[in-house]
Amino acid sequence: GQQLNQSPQSMFIQEGEDVSMNCTSSSIFNTWLWYKQDPGEGPVLLIALYKAGELTSNGRLTAQFGITRKDSFLNISASIPSDVGIYFCAGQLGQGGKLIFGQGTELSVKP
Amino acid sequence: DAEITQSPRHKITETGRQVTLACHQTWNHNNMFWYRQDLGHGLRLIHYSYGVHDTNKGEVSDGYSVSRSNTEDLPLTLESAASSQTSVYFCASSEWWVGTDTQYFGPGTRLTVL
Repeated sequence: GQQLNQSPQSMFIQEGEDVSMNCTSSSIFNTWLWYKQDPGEGPVLLIALYKAGELTSNGRLTAQFGITRKDSFLNISASIPSDVGIYFCAGQLGQGGKLIFGQGTELSVKP
Repeated sequence: DAEITQSPRHKITETGRQVTLACHQTWNHNNMFWYRQDLGHGLRLIHYSYGVHDTNKGEVSDGYSVSRSNTEDLPLTLESAASSQTSVYFCASSEWWVGTDTQYFGPGTRLTVL
């Protein structure tokens, strides 16, 4: 089935460092979404991107919808301990809600 | 506040038993989805519904069924539970409008099949 390649799979960083993760696909998506999942909880939406080339920020988070519509990245600036969790990208092929998820990036932040 | 809930949060069952996981949302969303989450696989779509009486198979639908009798609920049934169905299950809902199509997730149900 359709898959997204998300990298890196895991990151161990020091508090205060910047973080970057990305997703690539062989297919074009109309929408890219970035979610964060805390242990024992469901994914929570961080940023939604709807147009190729779009760059959107949410506090210390910045995400971009690649101009080819086949990739997206998420940056976290000045990481803090509460940034710990698993980050998922998700792409939507067309209207109607079905999402394809990446495998996730597990982020660990050392105080 | 509107929300999406799942029950039970944890369930242990035996191989061969029928199990139903509940999902209830109060956003009045037309679209509802069931995913399973396993290590190394991220979230995989099981079934989804675009409205009352509508159901569709997702990527990993074998051994699962859903029914949609009202807008708020989409129960997931495992007809004969198998050990391979041990997983964490997430329900999600969304409403599509032009330019805004995002899914909101429930807290998850951890299912163990012995």
